[in-house]
Amino acid sequence: ELKVEQNPLFLSMQEGKNYTIYCNYSTTSDRLYWYRQDPGKSLESLFVLLSNGAVKQEGRLMASLDTKARLSTLHITAAVHDLSATYFCAVYTSGTYKYIFGTGTRLKVLA
Amino acid sequence: DVKVTQSSRYLVKRTGEKVFLECVQDMDHENMFWYRQDPGLGLRLIYFSYDVKMKEKGDIPEGYSVSREKKERFSLILESASTNQTSMYLCASRSGIHSGANVLTFGAGSRLTVL
Repeated sequence: ELKVEQNPLFLSMQEGKNYTIYCNYSTTSDRLYWYRQDPGKSLESLFVLLSNGAVKQEGRLMASLDTKARLSTLHITAAVHDLSATYFCAVYTSGTYKYIFGTGTRLKVLA
Repeated sequence: DVKVTQSSRYLVKRTGEKVFLECVQDMDHENMFWYRQDPGLGLRLIYFSYDVKMKEKGDIPEGYSVSREKKERFSLILESASTNQTSMYLCASRSGIHSGANVLTFGAGSRLTVL
């Protein structure tokens, strides 16, 4: 059974600092997604990673994928308060309808 | 952009009531999903529909049913609501299985409280 683990579950960091969120998954997957969720709101797609070594960047967020290690990272550079949210990774296998989500990392950036 | 609209943002129901949660998408997507989101458990799939009148059970279908009579609309039904169904319910859609990156687009969510 495919399982997805994120860590840390909670992250409180100062503005201007860097940090990384980790997403480990247990079996082979074709695609890995990162989503952001603000309190009381829905999930917003951030990145789709389609192959080993894929790296995507948007602003202060950079996501990467290592399919051999079954690991994706979401790196935050010089955090700002607006990045405070919960971040989810999800893995998907082609030919199925199953997206397996991690439990989420709740990020709080302190001014 | 794809828009997924969930008709009710907040609902309060009593145990035993029948509950309908409606979801409509406007981009002609074939596939639609209902998830349940609970703290510490992430998102869990309740039901999936790959086309009109077609459905598959997800990981936690017990106590739920679904209806997809039209392509754009996917309804989640709680036949007899129970307190353990208090949760946030998220609808999502995507285009067909062979196209693109298969990104799910989510609705804003329906927060259901069962008393």
